[in-house]
Amino acid sequence: GAVVSQHPSRVICKSGTSVKIECRSLDFQATTMFWYRQFPKQSLMLMATSNEGSKATYEQGVEKDKFLINHASLTLSTLTVTSAHPEDSSFYICSARDPTTPTRDNEQFFGPGTRLTVL
Amino acid sequence: QKEVEQNSGPLSVPEGAIASLNCTYSDRGSQSFFWYRQYSGKSPELIMFIYSNGDKEDGRFTAQLNKASQYVSLLIRDSQPSDSATYLCAVRRTNAGKSTFGDGTTLTVKP
Repeated sequence: GAVVSQHPSRVICKSGTSVKIECRSLDFQATTMFWYRQFPKQSLMLMATSNEGSKATYEQGVEKDKFLINHASLTLSTLTVTSAHPEDSSFYICSARDPTTPTRDNEQFFGPGTRLTVL
Repeated sequence: QKEVEQNSGPLSVPEGAIASLNCTYSDRGSQSFFWYRQYSGKSPELIMFIYSNGDKEDGRFTAQLNKASQYVSLLIRDSQPSDSATYLCAVRRTNAGKSTFGDGTTLTVKP
């Protein structure tokens, strides 16, 4: 399957600081990437859909100004958690679709996730 | 009513048994159906996808889809302790659309 990487894998920051998480598709060009958040023992919650070269589409209840998403190239999307607070501590996972073939286009390839802890 | 419903479990089966995981969905327009496995602390990995009514087999895994009943299931034959994980069901309306995930079913396979 296609490879999606995330960096960093784990980050600890102080309350009030901003944290940037990178999501890269390593062997394909992803026109669409998705950002999810998952709290312990809970399901994946879609935060936003990121399309290359355009503004992200945020899910209801997700603050656009707090979770800044940039999808500047076909292989990179970034999520910036601004002014992070302890309640933002979570597992953030990106995923991407590979549009090169009909089969791969229909699959979502997940990155390994980034565990954010805000002190 | 949630768009995608799964029994949260935990579902416990002995090693070598068949594990049956179920998922129902509310959107009749859903076209694509996926099963993901998620180990604790890890991100989901795709196990199976199915688009047409009926069964689809891949190794020890069989996905079953019944669009009329809005039901999709995953059977795991000869369950192994390494199959112990949370299994997420996801549905999608169109190729370009987003996937909607269920809350997952936790499976424990006991040696």
